Amino acid sequence: EAGVAQSPRYKIIEKRQSVAFWCNPISGHATLYWYQQILGQGPKLLIQFQNNGVVDDSQLPKDRFSAERLKGVDSTLKIQPAKLEDSAVYLCASSLNYGSGGAADTQYFGPGTRLTVL
Amino acid sequence: AQSVTQLDSQVPVFEEAPVELRCNYSSSVSVYLFWYVQYPNQGLQLLLKYLSGSTLVKGINGFEAEFNKSQTSFHLRKPSVHISDTAEYFCAVSDESAGGTSYGKLTFGQGTILTVHP
Repeated sequence: EAGVAQSPRYKIIEKRQSVAFWCNPISGHATLYWYQQILGQGPKLLIQFQNNGVVDDSQLPKDRFSAERLKGVDSTLKIQPAKLEDSAVYLCASSLNYGSGGAADTQYFGPGTRLTVL
Repeated sequence: AQSVTQLDSQVPVFEEAPVELRCNYSSSVSVYLFWYVQYPNQGLQLLLKYLSGSTLVKGINGFEAEFNKSQTSFHLRKPSVHISDTAEYFCAVSDESAGGTSYGKLTFGQGTILTVHP
């Protein structure tokens, strides 16, 4: 079974530029998550989708971050404009079905995209 | 709100020695508990999880963890470590109660870097 795919793996941009990340979840997984992991910290949830609807985006800085999940499969996360403090690893995860409880909610992570903002 | 505290930021140990990585959590509701491992430049890989039932949970690579509800702990153990276990380990919790404000959302600890020396 293929895992969660993310691209690009690395990205370097200057502040005020825009950037986009792509995620393809495990086939059949209805729930998709984007996390931000700053160096030395644990991942922090940015946004959670169930199919193509948003379940939780309470920690997404909506003035500069946006995310979409068209057709309930792939997802893109965009930052515009980027700030120095956005330098982090952006992790995508998926789970079988939000709300089913237990094993179905276990999250599987992609390799991440390391963003450096200069 | 939930929180997770990993009591040691770094744990150095010699090969074939036993190791324990400590995790305490705080939550007003019942939780699911997870340990993830992150190798350099990779995403998070699920080691083990506690959903219900036996409080001693066995995972991959010889790791196990014990859920202690009274002490709100979920410590990770391995009786004999290998060089290849060198990585960062994250403890995480999610709300067990469907409809709860944190349901499905993973809250991570700060991580523990395990370094195994020859």
